[in-house]
This record gives sequence, structure tokens and C-alpha cells, in this order.
Amino acid sequence: AQSVTQPDIHITVSEGASLELRCNYSYGATPYLFWYVQSPGQGLQLLLKYFSGDTLVQGIKGFEAEFKRSQSSFNLRKPSVHWSDAAEYFCAVGDPNFGNEKLTFGTGTRLTIIP
Amino acid sequence: DVKVTQSSRYLVKRTGEKVFLECVQDMDHENMFWYRQDPGLGLRLIYFSYDVKMKEKGDIPEGYSVSREKKERFSLILESASTNQTSMYLCASSLSFQGGNQPQHFGDGTRLSIL
Repeated sequence: AQSVTQPDIHITVSEGASLELRCNYSYGATPYLFWYVQSPGQGLQLLLKYFSGDTLVQGIKGFEAEFKRSQSSFNLRKPSVHWSDAAEYFCAVGDPNFGNEKLTFGTGTRLTIIP
Repeated sequence: DVKVTQSSRYLVKRTGEKVFLECVQDMDHENMFWYRQDPGLGLRLIYFSYDVKMKEKGDIPEGYSVSREKKERFSLILESASTNQTSMYLCASSLSFQGGNQPQHFGDGTRLSIL
């Protein structure tokens, strides 16, 4: 079965600094990968997704992610964070046994922004 | 925009009660999902449905059941609530599409406390 690992439970960065959130997946073929963000008290919002093609994917709010098959990774990046980026971030992979419509989520990384 | 509405933001129930959580989506999506979210565990899938009256068990279905009598509505039922079911419950929906590249859209969640 496919799985997703987010090794960082909590990350703190200064406003204006760059950000990289790590995501590793376990799956044999080309996975369907997603990044979601959850602001406090709200549901999840899709940031970006990868299915095939260009391995560098652009998303909303200035985020991007790079698919690296050799490292089984799909790390999320942002060149300069804003205080409003403080949230919890989830990486997810589609389950091919259900047409990739069922997702397996990582445990999340909580991002804190300091002034 | 897709709207996924969960009937309650906060709910307090007693042990042994039968609890109903309701979710409605307004975009004619075929797929609907129920997750629970716990600190350090991320999102875990309880049940999902890919059509009216159809359901599939997720990763943690024990103690729960679901009902989907209409396409837009997906109900989660706790048959006899227990304190270990205190959690945040998230509903999601997605359009069914061959290849599975449709994202899931989430409601704002129901924070359920079982006393």
C-alpha cells in the first residue's frame, strides 16, 4: 500500500525567509501527489497537484513543489513566506486501487511564522 | 466555487448516544469522503462513497456507518458514541474522472466531543 511521510512535525521560519516542507512517498509507479493547507479552524484547501509531465509544479499563494522520482520526494517550497502562511500543511498520494480518487495523507507539518 | 457544508461546527454528545454528522455538497460530485483528524495522526479515512447508495470502508471504519441516499448528501453515523471518537471530522467531495486527477474539496469540519 502506498504511504506518505512528512518528517517534520513543526517548522518555524521568519517572515520573508524561504521555506521547504518535506514529503516522501512510498509507491512503485508514478504517483498522483497533492499538497493541501489547513488554516486554523478551517478545512483543507488544495495548493497544488502533480500527475505527470513537468516535475516542477506551480500552485496557489506562490507555492511550488518538485517531484523527484529518484528520491521519492515531493517537497513544497516558497521563496518568501508571509505571516498568513502560518498553517498546517498536508501531503497526500492517490491510491491506484481506487483510480487515485482515494487519498492517503501524511501526518502534517505545522508552520509557525515569526516576525 | 465548490461548497461543502457540514451541518455543525461543534457538537457535544454523551457516551452511548447515536450521533449523526451531515455533509452536503453543491457541485454534483460523485465521490464523497469522511475523515477524522487527530493531532499527530493526520487525516484518516473512515468511509467513502462513489455513488448514491454505494459505500466503501476506509482505513478506520470500526464504530461508524454511513448513508448516502441522495447524491449531494453523505451522512456519518456513530452507532454508539464512545469517548475515543472525540475528534475533528472532515467531509470532502470530488468529481469522478478517469485517471483520478480531480482534487478533493473539504468542508470546515465538525469538532465532536463525546462526554
